[in-house]
Amino acid sequence: EVQLVESGGGVVRPGGSLRLSCAASGFSFDDYGVTWVRQAPGKGLEWVAGINWNGASTAYADSVKGRFTISRDNAENSLYLQMNSLRAEDTALYHCGRGGITYYFDYWGQGTLVTVSS
Amino acid sequence: DIQMTQSPSSLSASVGDRVTITCRASQGISHYLAWYQQKPGKVPKLLISAASTLQSGVPSRFIGSGSGTDFTLTISSLQPEDVATYYCQEYNSAPLTFGPGTKVDVK
Repeated sequence: EVQLVESGGGVVRPGGSLRLSCAASGFSFDDYGVTWVRQAPGKGLEWVAGINWNGASTAYADSVKGRFTISRDNAENSLYLQMNSLRAEDTALYHCGRGGITYYFDYWGQGTLVTVSS
Repeated sequence: DIQMTQSPSSLSASVGDRVTITCRASQGISHYLAWYQQKPGKVPKLLISAASTLQSGVPSRFIGSGSGTDFTLTISSLQPEDVATYYCQEYNSAPLTFGPGTKVDVK
């Protein structure tokens, strides 16, 4: 069974940093691109960043470019999102999804909540 | 960047009705369009990829069509369990974009 489990969310002050993790299981992780998608409370879905199967190619939404960094460790079957210079508008539930930079997402994790507030 | 629009933003229909949701891309995306269903408090579920390919296990009443810039998701006979918000997503080129969503209710 494919599983994606996010962790690392929490409450952080504006300007702060957080690192999200996503543990994958039930499939060959290094065969797939993976992505982060977020959903602010009561709002729609926003694609954040994607990475290809070996980490050689990444892409970002304009809203996070230069502040967020996506990476992966295929030996650990894990996806990461380093978030710096956080803003109130980054407050959201962050999901990892199976599917790369130009792909759809067939499996989603339950998400980890990030709250940016002073 | 590609912009996605959806219409209507919400609708209410009776059980058994045929429901159509439209998604439009700001530029041509061929058939690189997916549809998701998100029930309240749940994770989005992939319904359709490549504009018209139904995912395994998804009821056949969900029908996707279109190419280029104009796409539709049709629910041929609305069921109570179809109450959800539906999103389209283009995956033609990064940055990827979701539509704003269409909330579907049953009268």
